Amino acid sequence: SFDLTQAPSVSVSPGQTARITCSGNALPHTFGNWYQQKSGQAPVLIIYEDIKRPAGTPERFSGSRSGTVATLTISGAQAEDAADYYCFSTDPNGQRGMFGGGTKLTVL
Amino acid sequence: QLYLVESGGDVVQPGESLRLSCTVSGLPFGTFDIHWVRQAPGRGLEWLAVMSMAETISYYADSVSGRFIVSRDNSNTLYLLMNSLNSDDTALYYCAKLGTGRTELDSWGQGTLVTVSS
Repeated sequence: SFDLTQAPSVSVSPGQTARITCSGNALPHTFGNWYQQKSGQAPVLIIYEDIKRPAGTPERFSGSRSGTVATLTISGAQAEDAADYYCFSTDPNGQRGMFGGGTKLTVL
Repeated sequence: QLYLVESGGDVVQPGESLRLSCTVSGLPFGTFDIHWVRQAPGRGLEWLAVMSMAETISYYADSVSGRFIVSRDNSNTLYLLMNSLNSDDTALYYCAKLGTGRTELDSWGQGTLVTVSS
């Protein structure tokens, strides 16, 4: 099956490192991508192809993948990083997409 | 600058149909796949469907397969026809463009709201 699993919530203090994981059996065969969504706004792509940052994504955001787990790392989390984070991928044939359930990041 | 603009959201009764539009500007239409995604109030993102522009074929999530149909016109608009709507379909509906990496949705519209209520 093509499922992506995320923890519902993560909390960090300002300046600490936050790690948000996304696990799925399909990840070794495709790429993991990460979105940040703030209240009332459309999702914004912050990491694609496991590790790449689009223009505009702060350098404190990084991505990695090991086997079936993709990880979004926020090094030195800031209050403005409080948001919902979703992983997403498509199957290798591009015929199906899947979001993780989302992780609510609290920074306080 | 690429823009995707959704429209057509409305308040409808259970069992009714509704057609949403996704109008694309700023890039040649038909050169990238477009996905539909929705978000129910207070819930996470749910992938719904994709139109493969190269093949002009659409693929659907199990939750909407057989009820939702994606189509396109010959200019710059993609449509999502939603049939037999129920309260679970109440959500903000987004269209989004597939990026060059072939797995990421790199540009999104702002969404259009569909409310199914009697």
